[in-house]
Amino acid sequence: AQSVTQPDIHITVSEGASLELRCNYSYGATPYLFWYVQSPGQGLQLLLKYFSGDTLVQGIKGFEAEFKRSQSSFNLRKPSVHWSDAAEYFCAASAWRKLQFGAGTQVVVTP
Amino acid sequence: NAGVTQTPKFQVLKTGQSMTLQCAQDMNHNSMYWYRQDPGMGLRLIYYSASEGTTDKGEVPNGYNVSRLNKREFSLRLESAAPSQTSVYFCASKTGQGVNTEAFFGQGTRLTVV
Repeated sequence: AQSVTQPDIHITVSEGASLELRCNYSYGATPYLFWYVQSPGQGLQLLLKYFSGDTLVQGIKGFEAEFKRSQSSFNLRKPSVHWSDAAEYFCAASAWRKLQFGAGTQVVVTP
Repeated sequence: NAGVTQTPKFQVLKTGQSMTLQCAQDMNHNSMYWYRQDPGMGLRLIYYSASEGTTDKGEVPNGYNVSRLNKREFSLRLESAAPSQTSVYFCASKTGQGVNTEAFFGQGTRLTVV
């Protein structure tokens, strides 16, 4: 069955430190891949997306993600976290017209 | 630009009551989706409509029905609400296959069933 897995339910990071969120997918072929962010009480905002080509994708708010076909992974990174990055992050995959999400990673930023 | 509009934003139902969640998009998108979001479970797909006139079950369709009224509108109906359906519901739309397959989300409907 197709699936999107985010192994880390909760991550705590200090402000200014680097952040990496993991995402693995299980699909027959490489799907379209996305990272979304959800701030408390808000809807989802797209951070970045990967369709093909360059495996390092730049997004908004200083985020980037790297696609690794051999590992079926699409990990999200940010070199220096700001307090406003505290939110829940969702990895998603789309194949044909079905869009599937991982369970999410809650990011807490400490001073 | 309105994007994806969901109504209502909040709703409290008694067990056994019925209601319809409305969703409309003004981006001429082909595909529309209904998700529910529960703590620790991410977004789970309830139903989707790949194009006008078609609907398909997602991961958790039981207890729900949908109608793709036209290209713009995709409604979700709870015929007999249960406490297990307490959740935040999100509607989304996207163009479908092609270069731009980014999904756009509504602001959500917070539903409580007592």
